[in-house]
Amino acid sequence: QVQLVQSGAEVKKPGASVKVSCTASGFILNSYYIQWLRQAPGQGLEWVGIINPIDGSTNYAQKFQGRITMTRDTSTDTVYTELSSLRSEDTAVYYCARVRRPGMAAFDVWGQGTMVTVSS
Amino acid sequence: QSMLTQPPSASGTPGQRVTISCSGSSSNIGGSSVNWYQQFPGTAPKLLIYVDYQRPSGVPDRFSASKSGTSASLAISGLQSEDEAVYYCAAWDASLNGPVFGGGTKLTVL
Repeated sequence: QVQLVQSGAEVKKPGASVKVSCTASGFILNSYYIQWLRQAPGQGLEWVGIINPIDGSTNYAQKFQGRITMTRDTSTDTVYTELSSLRSEDTAVYYCARVRRPGMAAFDVWGQGTMVTVSS
Repeated sequence: QSMLTQPPSASGTPGQRVTISCSGSSSNIGGSSVNWYQQFPGTAPKLLIYVDYQRPSGVPDRFSASKSGTSASLAISGLQSEDEAVYYCAAWDASLNGPVFGGGTKLTVL
């Protein structure tokens, strides 16, 4: 079964960091790029960034520059996104999704989402 | 503030045809393909339409879409109660160098 499986919910304090994983199964991870998006409670979708699993190259949305790091582990078909200096506004469900190539907004397989709560 | 503009809500009765609009600019819809997503509460979005009007396998042909210039629309015919969801449009934005989304349209089946 083609799917992306994400790590579980996280609760963090302001200023901390969070690392969310996204593991591919049923398909070859290196054949796709992985996008990260987030959705704050009751809000719409926001792009966070993209990673190329083949070489680990990344492109981040400007608002997250300096706070976001995306990596991959090809041995486990897993990509990671780590967001640092967390603030309450980062409370959201974080999704990974696959896309054939950059420049497209057609994400055909999504992870189940990881709820990240930032609260003191 | 979303870069693509959608109406916040839409409604229809079973069997009706409803349309949802999505307005953008030359840096996104005007220069890239439009995609549509369907999202139910507590679940991840599902790709409904890609590359302006293509349907992934398994999506009923009751769902159709079109694009003209910097605007696009999603049409749902033969409305069913299970179509009640939030619908998002999305397109690649050349100035952002990333995807942009509409704010979502909550469809209510009366």
